[in-house]
Amino acid sequence: DADVTQTPRNRITKTGKRIMLECSQTKGHDRMYWYRQDPGLGLRLIYYSFDVKDINKGEISDGYSVSRQAQAKFSLSLESAIPNQTALYFCATSDFGGYLQPQHFGDGTRLSIL
Amino acid sequence: AQSVAQPEDQVNVAEGNPLTVKCTYSVSGNPYLFWYVQYPNRGLQFLLKYITGDNLVKGSYGFEAEFNKSQTSFHLKKPSALVSDSALYFCAVREGYGGATNKLIFGTGTLLAVQP
Repeated sequence: DADVTQTPRNRITKTGKRIMLECSQTKGHDRMYWYRQDPGLGLRLIYYSFDVKDINKGEISDGYSVSRQAQAKFSLSLESAIPNQTALYFCATSDFGGYLQPQHFGDGTRLSIL
Repeated sequence: AQSVAQPEDQVNVAEGNPLTVKCTYSVSGNPYLFWYVQYPNRGLQFLLKYITGDNLVKGSYGFEAEFNKSQTSFHLKKPSALVSDSALYFCAVREGYGGATNKLIFGTGTLLAVQP
């Protein structure tokens, strides 16, 4: 089983719908992140969380919200989806053991908003 | 602001030949640099990192990277490319100071295509 699991893997929805992407991890890491990937733009940070009570905005948080339900779960919501939120979304985790720890990524959710 | 640049969208190399994927960086203080690889339909995987010390860093799958402070570069290299190395490669720099943050700034990615 994957250490970082994202559901769903693919989603097609319509403009204005509320969407939740879920991420769960079995690595025991405190830190979790949400990124979006767009062709030619690389990865951009949406939100990150250092523990259950800590949520921080990233580079592009407008239009998104998150919930850290437990150490192992971090969900991303689009309250009212718009077409320019069509992208590949990744969840990642890292250990608290220092700022130099590698990040571990899930396999992504491909989201299309029509 | 800290940033990384990957000047090549795509690099083509024949199997068995050496490969280089370029990355340059801009930081205010000490650079902490990373390379990640993304295979089709998969998330990013950590390859290697430079923190301090030896300018040649060895990583997974036979890859290595050379840190050059004067040229502000951190190029990824492999002596002999394999077709299975074909993937999207990302350079990243750590933003911030101290141990409180672990945010990475990613480059735009370089697609490596290894021809048989």
